[in-house]
Amino acid sequence: AQKVTQAQTEISVVEKEDVTLDCVYETRDTTYYLFWYKQPPSGELVFLIRRNSFDEQNEISGRYSWNFQKSTSSFNFTITASQVVDSAVYFCALSRTDKLIFGTGTRLQVFP
Amino acid sequence: SAVISQKPSRDICQRGTSLTIQCQVDSQVTMMFWYRQQPGQSLTLIATANQGSEATYESGFVIDKFPISRPNLTFSTLTVSNMSPEDSSIYLCSVEANTEAFFGQGTRLTVV
Repeated sequence: AQKVTQAQTEISVVEKEDVTLDCVYETRDTTYYLFWYKQPPSGELVFLIRRNSFDEQNEISGRYSWNFQKSTSSFNFTITASQVVDSAVYFCALSRTDKLIFGTGTRLQVFP
Repeated sequence: SAVISQKPSRDICQRGTSLTIQCQVDSQVTMMFWYRQQPGQSLTLIATANQGSEATYESGFVIDKFPISRPNLTFSTLTVSNMSPEDSSIYLCSVEANTEAFFGQGTRLTVV
């Protein structure tokens, strides 16, 4: 069975702090994709990153970085120098070929 | 990429009535997906809709309650039938394009 676990329900930080959102997944597939989405209060889902299972290189995009480790089945997301606009619910998701399986999400609150 | 237009964006409905949600994509896609996000919860897949065939429903969801149409490769509808307050959720359609998953803006449904 496939499963995504985001153990952190809610995280609060003060602006400019770094914050890491954890994601642990379970799958028996050798080929799969991992995603991170941001859902601001307005409700839409904003795509952040997709990573395939054969690419374990870490990725950095501005203040965002992702650490993919197959050995621990984790795909963690770090926001550096957080800003108030980063306040949202962040979802990690797993896909084999089509449908997405979402984690329960982590609500991030960044206070000024 | 794919641009998805979903409507209505929100609605307040009386219990016992039905609401049809429309999803229009700007390109032809094989599969379209319908998700439900109950208040404060993660996203759960309702069904997968392929053009020219019946939708495939996930465990816990049935066609009588959530009938889906897929008349062509760019359009789908989801109907929430005989609504109750428990159906109050955000409903999102999604498509896959080049192994990326794109989402509509969502339909925020409140049943009173």
